[in-house]
Amino acid sequence: EPEVTQTPSHQVTQMGQEVILRCVPISNHLYFYWYRQILGQKVEFLVSFYNNEISEKSEIFDDQFSVERPDGSNFTLKIRSTKLEDSAMYFCASSHSRAEEKLFFGSGTQLSVL
Amino acid sequence: GQQLNQSPQSMFIQEGEDVSMNCTSSSIFNTWLWYKQDPGEGPVLLIALYKAGELTSNGRLTAQFGITRKDSFLNISASIPSDVGIYFCAGQRTGNQFYFGTGTSLTVIP
Repeated sequence: EPEVTQTPSHQVTQMGQEVILRCVPISNHLYFYWYRQILGQKVEFLVSFYNNEISEKSEIFDDQFSVERPDGSNFTLKIRSTKLEDSAMYFCASSHSRAEEKLFFGSGTQLSVL
Repeated sequence: GQQLNQSPQSMFIQEGEDVSMNCTSSSIFNTWLWYKQDPGEGPVLLIALYKAGELTSNGRLTAQFGITRKDSFLNISASIPSDVGIYFCAGQRTGNQFYFGTGTSLTVIP
């Protein structure tokens, strides 16, 4: 069964460093998302992406964050200068259509900022 | 952001018992999704609901889209140990984003 894949599964970085989290959405999906989950808390929306542009973003997604679809398969989240509070599990998700939408998640990247 | 409240926050039940949990909001939603999350893993989609009053089953799981469109319910019948995990509801209004509930932690005692 097709699935969303994320790499790496764990990323440890120093505060102030840049990180890039990578995702390969399900191949025929058109809508792509990043969510994050701080340990023990609920899943929070960061950004949605469609037709090579951001379609919606949350307050969390400030100018330290950016997303890119560099080719036909990858979808990346970049955090330019990480902060301690960026430590969380980051989930990529994708869906095929907006009508009767079903969101499928990857297994996540655990980001630890030291 | 939108607040989706799930109850109960946690449940401890005996294997074989039925489980009921719900998700409520002060806002109207057009889509409800229910997910199960195991520790260290991503949410796995269980059931999707798109119309008020809709009742949908997936094996031992049944979910309903509330008539008011402000709530949704998930029932698990005859629970088994592998049902253990955290169950999240997620609602979508008119935009792209799904708002996630606070989660219900389920423990099944063999």
